[in-house]
Amino acid sequence: AQSVTQLGSHVSVSEGALVLLRCNYSSSVPPYLFWYVQYPNQGLQLLLKYTSAATLVKGINGFEAEFKKSETSFHLTKPSAHMSDAAEYFCAVSDSWGKLQFGAGTQVVVTP
Amino acid sequence: DTGVSQNPRHKITKRGQNVTFRCDPISEHNRLYWYRQTLGQGPEFLTYFQNEAQLEKSRLLSDRFSAERPKGSFSTLEIQRTEQGDSAMYLCASSAGQGSQPQHFGDGTRLSIL
Repeated sequence: AQSVTQLGSHVSVSEGALVLLRCNYSSSVPPYLFWYVQYPNQGLQLLLKYTSAATLVKGINGFEAEFKKSETSFHLTKPSAHMSDAAEYFCAVSDSWGKLQFGAGTQVVVTP
Repeated sequence: DTGVSQNPRHKITKRGQNVTFRCDPISEHNRLYWYRQTLGQGPEFLTYFQNEAQLEKSRLLSDRFSAERPKGSFSTLEIQRTEQGDSAMYLCASSAGQGSQPQHFGDGTRLSIL
């Protein structure tokens, strides 16, 4: 069975500061990993994905994530937070059929 | 690519009524997924289709829930005899095949049960 754990349900960062969102996964097979962002009353938008190519994955809006097999982690980072980054972020793992298992989400608040 | 479209965006109904939601996926996508999201939680898988075939249903999908995808195009999700616990955001997503392909989500249908 696959599962995802996101550490920290809320993260507050200052504008311009580093954003770090933590995700650990459990999977019996090499995983496909994704980060999605959700703005209020909207669906989920793909930020980036890991599918066994490069371990450092670059996504949209300046986000990137590093796959670390030894730590079973896929943490999301952005060097400099912007006010528009305030949203909820979900880490997800997919099986070979594409069924996504999501973490509980991390709400990001950006303060001026 | 016009994106995944879901209708209606909001549905308010009384307990015990039946409701039906529609999802129009990206046209070239053969896989279509339904998820349910409650406040403060990540989306939970309900069911998915490859073309017109429904390949898996979650144990979350009780007998009151039914989904169809006639002709492998749009899909409908029906909830019969709605209950308070059915209040949630219902999300539809589509993808172009294997698990490595990202899913594209619609904006969801928010269901409120009075």
